[in-house]
Amino acid sequence: DVKVTQSSRYLVKRTGEKVFLECVQDMDHENMFWYRQDPGLGLRLIYFSYDVKMKEKGDIPEGYSVSREKKERFSLILESASTNQTSMYLCASRSTGALIKPQHFGDGTRLSIL
Amino acid sequence: AQKITQTQPGMFVQEKEAVTLDCTYDTSDQSYGLFWYKQPSSGEMIFLIYQGSYDEQNATEGRYSLNFQKARKSANLVISASQLGDSAMYFCAMRGSGGSYIPTFGRGTSLIVHP
Repeated sequence: DVKVTQSSRYLVKRTGEKVFLECVQDMDHENMFWYRQDPGLGLRLIYFSYDVKMKEKGDIPEGYSVSREKKERFSLILESASTNQTSMYLCASRSTGALIKPQHFGDGTRLSIL
Repeated sequence: AQKITQTQPGMFVQEKEAVTLDCTYDTSDQSYGLFWYKQPSSGEMIFLIYQGSYDEQNATEGRYSLNFQKARKSANLVISASQLGDSAMYFCAMRGSGGSYIPTFGRGTSLIVHP
């Protein structure tokens, strides 16, 4: 069964900390995505990676960075966490040549910044 | 630019009844596709159904079907015989256009199924 795994379901951190959210997929997908989900705002794209070491800013990249050193792993980094980054974070992946195929999502990480 | 609009923030339905969740879209592409996802309270996003703009038939998948009306630019999700387990957030999304791999999501509709 195909799988996108996010390292934590729940995470609590303090303001100013550097926070790492990890995402691993086992489908050999080229494309990987990080979204932030807030009530009433739907899914907002933070960063997109179309291949190893390649990345593209999404709609809300401020305060975040990403790393894709291996094809299967896409990390989201909060350089200095702030309370307004408390949110649900979703990772997704999809194969490049399959626009009619859906994205595969992880279970999400509920991040609280205190 | 593409846009997805889900005008219903919340919907209620009685168990065993059918419910329609609205999705309207805007795109300048001739070829496009629309996805519906379900997100239970546990958080994972589950793919439900896909409709391509050139598909001759409306998509169906078990109790899920798409009421696809191109002229109205709508792709409404119909859930027949609602079950308690259908209570969730539902998102409509359009696949990326113009060589972009980035889909566009609506803001979602929260569905609550009453016993």
